[in-house]
Parts: sequence; structure tokens; C-alpha cells
Amino acid sequence: SQQGEEDPQALSIQEGENATMNCSYKTSINNLQWYRQNSGRGLVHLILIRSNEREKHSGRLRVTLDTSKKSSSLLITASRAADTASYFCATFTGGGNKLTFGTGTQLKVEL
Amino acid sequence: DTGVSQNPRHKITKRGQNVTFRCDPISEHNRLYWYRQTLGQGPEFLTYFQNEAQLEKSRLLSDRFSAERPKGSFSTLEIQRTEQGDSAMYLCASSLSEAFFGQGTRLTVV
Repeated sequence: SQQGEEDPQALSIQEGENATMNCSYKTSINNLQWYRQNSGRGLVHLILIRSNEREKHSGRLRVTLDTSKKSSSLLITASRAADTASYFCATFTGGGNKLTFGTGTQLKVEL
Repeated sequence: DTGVSQNPRHKITKRGQNVTFRCDPISEHNRLYWYRQTLGQGPEFLTYFQNEAQLEKSRLLSDRFSAERPKGSFSTLEIQRTEQGDSAMYLCASSLSEAFFGQGTRLTVV
């Protein structure tokens, strides 16, 4: 089973709006990572948030982490059509050796 | 080039043939991972190396699959006697703390 589960599975918004994706996980973590994947391409690392951090920013991205709820959120502000992609959260499990992914959120940003 | 490199990018093969994929990780990264991804799904873990040692192998990896990382640098993933169900994107990643992925090898078994 997947360590992370993203919510929603699909999200469609207009350009300029904000997009929020959520991720829940099951086991204790040292850090959580978010990735973007354009259709048929490899995964691009977006941001890593450590377990002792609650919020982190990178450009138009804002990630929060709530270890008590075992959840994280990714906010993309002022979305652009180029943000259209699948977004995955991932955590290291199995003693920190295995990076396990959620099922992903498919984001579509329409003009 | 400082990224993870995978070759080939695309491979079409006939059922029953053997295929081999190569991954060149970021040079200072000691960890290397292989994943498989099918359409609409997240990447599924296949195997993990720390330096040249293969430390974990998924039950998804049947005995037709083998991976190596000689000298702890590049890695190869071989699939023997390919089946149509092996058609997928095969992704390689390397890491110290953050994991960085290559562009993947898309395998089509016809």
C-alpha cells in the first residue's frame, strides 16, 4: 500500500487561482518531499520539509507539515498553465531506505 | 551534467526478449533507487542500492528482474523474457537526502 495518499486525486482551476493539495502518511518520518511530474516525463524535486519544520516556502510554493496529524499540504499560489502536472508527496520508509510515493494529485490549470 | 541520466529514453521490444536499462546517478550520491510507474499511478519502489550493495528489493521484482551497481557508480536494470505487463516507465533516482530522478526509460513490450 502507498505510504502517502494525496487529496484530491484531481484538481482543475483557472490561471491565477491558488491550488492546494494534501498528503497524508502512515509512519513516522524524518522528512517529506514533494515532486512534480509532467505527462510522460520524470519527476522533478520541488521541496523537502524536515520533521522539525512546520512550514517552508520556495517561490510560489508553500509546504506545511503537521506531524501530529501525519499530513502535509502543498500550496501553489498564482497558478499558471505551466503548473499543469501531477504532484506527488514522498517519504522515506523502511528504516529510511525506501522513498515511498503517494498516488498523486493531477492538477490542471486552465487559461 | 549534474543530473541523473537514464538510457535509453524509449525501448520497444518483442515479448520474450531481454532488455537492459542504464542509470548514471549524480556523482556524489551514494543511494540509488529504481522505480516502475504505470499510467495514472505513483512510482512503485523496485530496489535500492547504497554504494554497490543492494539493500532492499521489492516483492514486485520477480526473478526475471535483476539490478546491479558495480563499483557503486552507474546501475543497470535487466528484465529477462519480457512480458506485456512489463510495459511501464522505469525511473531511476539518486540521493544523499533529497532524491533526484532521471527522465525515465519508457518500455513498451509488443
